Amino acid sequence: SQTIHQWPATLVQPVGSPLSLECTVEGTSNPNLYWYRQAAGRGLQLLFYSVGIGQISSEVPQNLSASRPQDRQFILSSKKLLLSDSGFYLCAWSVSPKTQGYNSPLHFGNGTRLTVT
Amino acid sequence: RKEVEQDPGPFNVPEGATVAFNCTYSNSASQSFFWYRQDCRKEPKLLMSVYSSGNEDGRFTAQLNRASQYISLLIRDSKLSDSATYLCVVNMIFGNEKLTFGTGTRLTIIP
Repeated sequence: SQTIHQWPATLVQPVGSPLSLECTVEGTSNPNLYWYRQAAGRGLQLLFYSVGIGQISSEVPQNLSASRPQDRQFILSSKKLLLSDSGFYLCAWSVSPKTQGYNSPLHFGNGTRLTVT
Repeated sequence: RKEVEQDPGPFNVPEGATVAFNCTYSNSASQSFFWYRQDCRKEPKLLMSVYSSGNEDGRFTAQLNRASQYISLLIRDSKLSDSATYLCVVNMIFGNEKLTFGTGTRLTIIP
């Protein structure tokens, strides 16, 4: 069965510090990978998605970046955190529509709760 | 018009009652629809996919109305454990890799 791991679970970082969140998926190949952010009391905002190694699409301009160095690894980074980067960061995977012919549902990791102070 | 819109609630419903919520979407070409539930401070979890003919999973029934561009979720015989936020999810462009989430409907089941 497929599993998704995301770490760390919680993180407190000062403004201006760097960020690296990692997500890995097991039990599947060539998944679509996603990073979402959920601000307190708000909906999920898609930040990045990737359909393959090295292929990253950015949804909103921001000081975050994403990378996919391996098929089942997705990394979210920032060089300098802002207060507004605080939130609940969620990694997710799905089977590629190219594989299954229609959108399959997303499966989320446990999330990282980031507080920028 | 928002791409995916839900009534935020809260819906406060007595235990054992039936509750239903709708979710409207803006793109008539959307092809895939899902309901997720999210507990407080947790990740969203897939509740059920929504099929064109409607589908049922135990106490939960999902319907799709393409003409009016909405999906619905019906919960029968509600339990205290059903208290959560329910998120509607739609793919806005067929074959596109993105799924768009509604902001969720908060449900509280009252003993």
